[in-house]
Amino acid sequence: QLQLQESGPGLVKPSQTLSLTCTVSGGSISSSGYYWGWIRQPPGRGLEWIGSITYSGSTQYNPSLKSRVTISVDTSKNQFSLKLTSVTAADTGVFYCARRALSEIFDYWGQGTLVTVSS
Amino acid sequence: DIQMTQSPSTLSASVGDRVTITCRASQSISTWLAWYQQKPGKAPKVLIYKASSLQSGVPSRFSGSGSGTEFTLTINSLQPDDFATYYCQQYNSYYTFGQGTKLEIK
Repeated sequence: QLQLQESGPGLVKPSQTLSLTCTVSGGSISSSGYYWGWIRQPPGRGLEWIGSITYSGSTQYNPSLKSRVTISVDTSKNQFSLKLTSVTAADTGVFYCARRALSEIFDYWGQGTLVTVSS
Repeated sequence: DIQMTQSPSTLSASVGDRVTITCRASQSISTWLAWYQQKPGKAPKVLIYKASSLQSGVPSRFSGSGSGTEFTLTINSLQPDDFATYYCQQYNSYYTFGQGTKLEIK
């Protein structure tokens, strides 16, 4: 059974960079045709797709966040990572990593990790 | 950007009821639409993809329909486990979610 697990600091200061890693287990991140993505959810609000990456490094980013986002992949560790720069309180929320299936739906999700932006 | 608008925002219903949630896209997305269920403190779970295809393992009381800009999620014979928040998501152009519909117990 595929499992995804987010990790990283739960508190980030304003103007700094938010960095998270997603570790994939029970399957290979190098499987062809899949994208590995990040989705966030501000407290009490809806879901926002941040971006996605393939095992070979092809990326897609939400145009509204593109200038601040970098997603990378490390196939040797079966991990992919998110960096979001110049964060503000508006970036506070639960961050999920997820697999985008061949059908283009997000079919496997991590449990989510809460990141708070505060001084 | 494609905007997704769900209605209603909140829906009160009883066990055994049939409920319908509507999702409208700001432009045509063909049938590139999915529905997710999310419970408090949990990650979303996909129910429906390509507007009307049932994801493996999802009970048949869930169904989806629509194309173009208007879509519906129907739940027949509501079960206690179905009280949750539901999101639609388009994947015609990148990925955008609706604002959610909270299904509450009446």
